[in-house]
Amino acid sequence: SAVISQKPSRDICQRGTSLTIQCQVDSQVTMMFWYRQQPGQSLTLIATANQGSEATYESGFVIDKFPISRPNLTFSTLTVSNMSPEDSSIYLCSVDLGAPYEQYFGPGTRLTVT
Amino acid sequence: AQTVTQSQPEMSVQEAETVTLSCTYDTSESDYYLFWYKQPPSRQMILVIRQEAYKQQNATENRFSVNFQKAAKSFSLKISDSQLGDAAMYFCAYSSGTYKYIFGTGTRLKVLA
Repeated sequence: SAVISQKPSRDICQRGTSLTIQCQVDSQVTMMFWYRQQPGQSLTLIATANQGSEATYESGFVIDKFPISRPNLTFSTLTVSNMSPEDSSIYLCSVDLGAPYEQYFGPGTRLTVT
Repeated sequence: AQTVTQSQPEMSVQEAETVTLSCTYDTSESDYYLFWYKQPPSRQMILVIRQEAYKQQNATENRFSVNFQKAAKSFSLKISDSQLGDAAMYFCAYSSGTYKYIFGTGTRLKVLA
């Protein structure tokens, strides 16, 4: 397994601003993922972040809105840019430890945009 | 495209009783992985149990077991001797063996004392 922490745990932000969420893992991992969980909904994959390469975004998510950094094998950041109330969600990072394809999730960042 | 369906938005169970959460999925793949994740209120999502499609034997983890019916594309979770700490949102998830997970919409489980 892996111990994953996220900062901040929650934040209330104003429309039009940006927030950067940090994800820290206690071991080196190749693949890290960012998910969005809108209120009362399931999880939707935003992007995959591999160290040393550009993040791969899922349909409906773009780099200008959700820039991601992955400077090393234990850390990643997700920025939510030019926020609107529709961005109010829980944002989760997760890691894949390889076979057998189990993902482990961070505690999430609860974002409220006013 | 693969899909995961959880038809029970909410379930209730008495403490110490048994409850079964349903999950169906659709895929044309023959080899894949299925998961149940638990998300307690305001707490971290954790993996409850995993099933490899090539294994006919149903996975078990203590009080948690699955009923995997490959032909029917069904993957239900049985929780025995339910405890108050089992109260959470439960998500069924599918992976074709890549990093990409497809999650169901979740079932909120309430445990009644």
